Amino acid sequence: ETGVTQSPTHLIKTRGQQVTLRCSSQSGHNTVSWYQQALGQGPQFIFQYYREEENGRGNFPPRFSGLQFPNYSSELNVNALELDDSALYLCASSPLQGRSTDTQYFGPGTRLTVL
Amino acid sequence: AQSVTQLDSHVSVSEGTPVLLRCNYSSSYSPSLFWYVQHPNKGLQLLLKYTSAATLVKGINGFEAEFKKSETSFHLTKPSAHMSDAAEYFCVVSDYTDKLIFGTGTRLQVFP
Repeated sequence: ETGVTQSPTHLIKTRGQQVTLRCSSQSGHNTVSWYQQALGQGPQFIFQYYREEENGRGNFPPRFSGLQFPNYSSELNVNALELDDSALYLCASSPLQGRSTDTQYFGPGTRLTVL
Repeated sequence: AQSVTQLDSHVSVSEGTPVLLRCNYSSSYSPSLFWYVQHPNKGLQLLLKYTSAATLVKGINGFEAEFKKSETSFHLTKPSAHMSDAAEYFCVVSDYTDKLIFGTGTRLQVFP
């Protein structure tokens, strides 16, 4: 049991809409990372937050944005949804910041379908 | 830049036979390497990680991996497959922060 939870489990949106996905990290974990996993692919890094500040970003456009809150919860927001945004979105938490040896603990993901 | 290449997209074994999932990495410095497993409709679970200590790393559920710098490989093995091992396996390298870079995955099928 990793203690990382995500909501909702599944979500269906139409192109052009906006969506907010939520993640609750393990208690005490100051770092949260978000990943996008397209069907049949490995997860791709979207961005990371440490103590409520963005701390690194992958090759995703600005319409992907995030927030991290003091209570170990976080959000991934996607504006102007496109069909290619359909994917499994995973959040992962880790206790410290910026150490490549840290283990990241993943939630079960949110399956987003864009029609 | 760091990257990993999983050499097999699918591996099929019979229950009770050995498992070998192959991974090569590319890194400009000493990498941290991981193997994660993903069962259908479930999140990613860490099997094991290498962080420049012992080159033979033992993980959960009888899996182990050996870091071979000369071959830039980090293959995952298990002596005897179990039906419950059927899943998607990802080889992962971490960059100098803790951004994870995933391979494309290997689907392991286990036949009775």
